[in-house]
Amino acid sequence: QKEVEQDPGPLSVPEGAIVSLNCTYSNSAFQYFMWYRQYSRKGPELLMYTYSSGNKEDGRFTAQVDKSSKYISLFIRDSQPSDSATYLCAMNSGGYQKVTFGIGTKLQVIP
Amino acid sequence: GAVVSQHPSWVICKSGTSVKIECRSLDFQATTMFWYRQFPKQSLMLMATSNEGSKATYEQGVEKDKFLINHASLTLSTLTVTSAHPEDSSFYICSAMIAGFNTGELFFGEGSRLTVL
Repeated sequence: QKEVEQDPGPLSVPEGAIVSLNCTYSNSAFQYFMWYRQYSRKGPELLMYTYSSGNKEDGRFTAQVDKSSKYISLFIRDSQPSDSATYLCAMNSGGYQKVTFGIGTKLQVIP
Repeated sequence: GAVVSQHPSWVICKSGTSVKIECRSLDFQATTMFWYRQFPKQSLMLMATSNEGSKATYEQGVEKDKFLINHASLTLSTLTVTSAHPEDSSFYICSAMIAGFNTGELFFGEGSRLTVL
């Protein structure tokens, strides 16, 4: 079993839709959770960072962490074609420990 | 925000030559940097962890003599692909953690696409 599971998609949605992206993990030591957006042939860009269980909102993005279920989500409201990218979940146990990434979900928002 | 600059963004070289890729943290100090490799339609594969002033820690299966990592200062880490071969062609990405911030947040460079002919 992989430490982090993420559906690679692709996921196609119409413009304006609410997008839900998810990851599950098995390592209960993970404390820090991140979502990255990666456009083709570019380095990943940090979108959201969370520590505790619960929700964190930033503009159209909401990150949700449920440590009891080992499940994290990223919601994108009013999705735009510019949101089309690969979204990677990432997590680690803190400090300077290596970060474990999901495989990434490819999202396409259709105008 | 924290900015990481990676250079060159793309490079083409002949088989057998060595290529150096630089990773710089522009507005913060980074005691720890990470080097990743990414194949098409695959996720990031951690190659090594680079610590300022000490030897890099390589992941299992990564040849340390082929992928030389140097982290000589708090803002610069370099990856040298020695005696490159076509199978080394890939997208190499560095990332850095802000020194003193025990949060696990990673900031990535733009990546370097290496093509070995």
